[in-house]
Amino acid sequence: EVKLVESGGGLVQPGRSLRLSCSASGFTFDDHGMHWVRQPPGKGLEWVASISWNSGNIAYAESVKGRFTVSRDNAEKSLYLQMDSLRSEDTAFYYCGKDIGVGATTRFAYLDYWGQGTLVSVSS
Amino acid sequence: EIVLTQSPATLSLSPGEGAILSCTASQSVGSSLAWYQQKPGQAPRLLIYDASKRATGIPARFSGSGSGTGFTLTISSLEPEDFAVYYCQQVNNWPPALSFGGGTKVEIK
Repeated sequence: EVKLVESGGGLVQPGRSLRLSCSASGFTFDDHGMHWVRQPPGKGLEWVASISWNSGNIAYAESVKGRFTVSRDNAEKSLYLQMDSLRSEDTAFYYCGKDIGVGATTRFAYLDYWGQGTLVSVSS
Repeated sequence: EIVLTQSPATLSLSPGEGAILSCTASQSVGSSLAWYQQKPGQAPRLLIYDASKRATGIPARFSGSGSGTGFTLTISSLEPEDFAVYYCQQVNNWPPALSFGGGTKVEIK
């Protein structure tokens, strides 16, 4: 059974940093790209960042470029999101997701499995 | 940046009725489009990918169609568990980026 579990969310002051983790199980982690998607409470989905299986292709939404860094540790089957210079508009549930593509592809596609999300609240 | 526009924002229907949801892209995305369902308090679930392929375990009452800039998600006969918010999503290969539509809420009339 595919399982994705996010952790690391919480309340943080504007300008501070937070690191989210996503622990994966039930599939061959290093066969798949991974994604972060966020959702402000009561609002729609917003793509945040994506990383290919070998970290060779990384992409960010314009709203987080230069502030957020996505990374992965295939040996630990974990995905990370380092969030710096946080702003109030970054307040959201953050979901990690597994890319449906398999094998040695660096192209991104769709999210066929999602974690349950972790809430990040940025407020003074 | 490719923008996805979903319509209508809200669809009020009764169980047993059919639903047609639309997603329009600001430029052609070929067939690179997916649909997700999200219920309150839950993560989204992939329903349709590559415009018309059903994801694993998705009932046949869900179908997708379209290509280029216009796409449709059809639910042939609404079950009580289908009342939820639906999002479309596209993937751009270069520069690599994903984007989601604003969502359509299917509510009980």
